[in-house]
Amino acid sequence: RKEVEQDPGPFNVPEGATVAFNCTYSNSASQSFFWYRQDCRKEPKLLMSVYSSGNEDGRFTAQLNRASQYISLLIRDSKLSDSATYLCVVYAGNNRKLIWGLGTSLAVNP
Amino acid sequence: DGGITQSPKYLFRKEGQNVTLSCEQNLNHDAMYWYRQDPGQGLRLIYYSQIVNDFQKGDIAEGYSVSREKKESFPLTVTSAQKNPTAFYLCASRRVPDPGAGELFFGEGSRLTVL
Repeated sequence: RKEVEQDPGPFNVPEGATVAFNCTYSNSASQSFFWYRQDCRKEPKLLMSVYSSGNEDGRFTAQLNRASQYISLLIRDSKLSDSATYLCVVYAGNNRKLIWGLGTSLAVNP
Repeated sequence: DGGITQSPKYLFRKEGQNVTLSCEQNLNHDAMYWYRQDPGQGLRLIYYSQIVNDFQKGDIAEGYSVSREKKESFPLTVTSAQKNPTAFYLCASRRVPDPGAGELFFGEGSRLTVL
């Protein structure tokens, strides 16, 4: 089992739709969780940090389910500019490593 | 504006040649990192440095070397010993060394193609 797993997609949604991605992790000692956004052939940029049960920032909501070992990212009222790859990143304090998922590709269509 | 500058953005080299990628930051961050990104793989850590004149191997350090003589600079050399050097290389920094705390800021990346 991979340490961090994401559905690669692509997710194709119309503008205004609500879309959700999941990310599962295998290390139960994982402490911190992040969502980064990466545009095509560009560098990743932090979208949200998830330190406790969840976090909300405008149209974006991230939730953490420790029992089932997954985090989710919900995007409401999708915009064309949300088209990107969303990378899930997990930090486990016991090995002090950041583990990057392969990303989920989102395409928002007019 | 504060940020991380990587150069060159695109680089073509012949097999067997060493290549040095530049990374400069003016964010006054202590920790700096080099990652490699390949299609179908997550970001993989090559080397990192938490303080000047000190650096540590990451998960895929073989065939690479780094130096950290100044806080602002963390160049990466891709040597001829690296078996598959063609990749997208990303330099990053963080204000504090703890990987679990704080945002990673990335440069725009250097795309290396070995012919």
